[in-house]
Amino acid sequence: AQSVAQPEDQVNVAEGNPLTVKCTYSVSGNPYLFWYVQYPNRGLQFLLKYITGDNLVKGSYGFEAEFNKSQTSFHLKKPSALVSDSALYFCAVRDGDNDMRFGAGTRLTVKP
Amino acid sequence: ETGVTQTPRHLVMGMTNKKSLKCEQHLGHNAMYWYKQSAKKPLELMFVYSLEERVENNSVPSRFSPECPNSSHLFLHLHTLQPEDSALYLCASSSRQYSSGNTIYFGEGSWLTVV
Repeated sequence: AQSVAQPEDQVNVAEGNPLTVKCTYSVSGNPYLFWYVQYPNRGLQFLLKYITGDNLVKGSYGFEAEFNKSQTSFHLKKPSALVSDSALYFCAVRDGDNDMRFGAGTRLTVKP
Repeated sequence: ETGVTQTPRHLVMGMTNKKSLKCEQHLGHNAMYWYKQSAKKPLELMFVYSLEERVENNSVPSRFSPECPNSSHLFLHLHTLQPEDSALYLCASSSRQYSSGNTIYFGEGSWLTVV
């Protein structure tokens, strides 16, 4: 069975500092990994995905994520955080024909 | 603008009411989904329609009744709900259900409060 974990409920960073939101996964086959962001009172918005190829994936708004097969991780990163990045972030995994499984979410707060 | 439009954005209903949530996608997709998002819980997949046929129902109570009249529209009919059904209901679509690399695109959600 596929599963995804976001070990941190909350991440706080100062504006201008790098940010990392962690995600680990468990699948039986090749993983397809996704990051979504949810701003207050909005739906989930697609940020980026890893299908195959380069382990470093670049997405919207300056975000990137690194696929690490040996550590079964897909952490979301950004070199310099903005206050407007404050939101709820979801990692998701899909394995073969299975439907997408979402993590519980990590709330990112960027302080000025 | 995500290409997936949900109405209404907010709904307050009594436990004996009947109401419906509507979703429309403008992305030319063949699969549509209903998800439930409750506070401090993972996103719950409720229903999946692929090519207008329901292919998955994750043990959702019968007080929730989906309808997919065509590949662009999806409804969630609600009746005799309970206060614990209060949540954000998210509609989503993708080009195909069972294709690992396909991205699922979400609407803005419908906030449901059951009183």
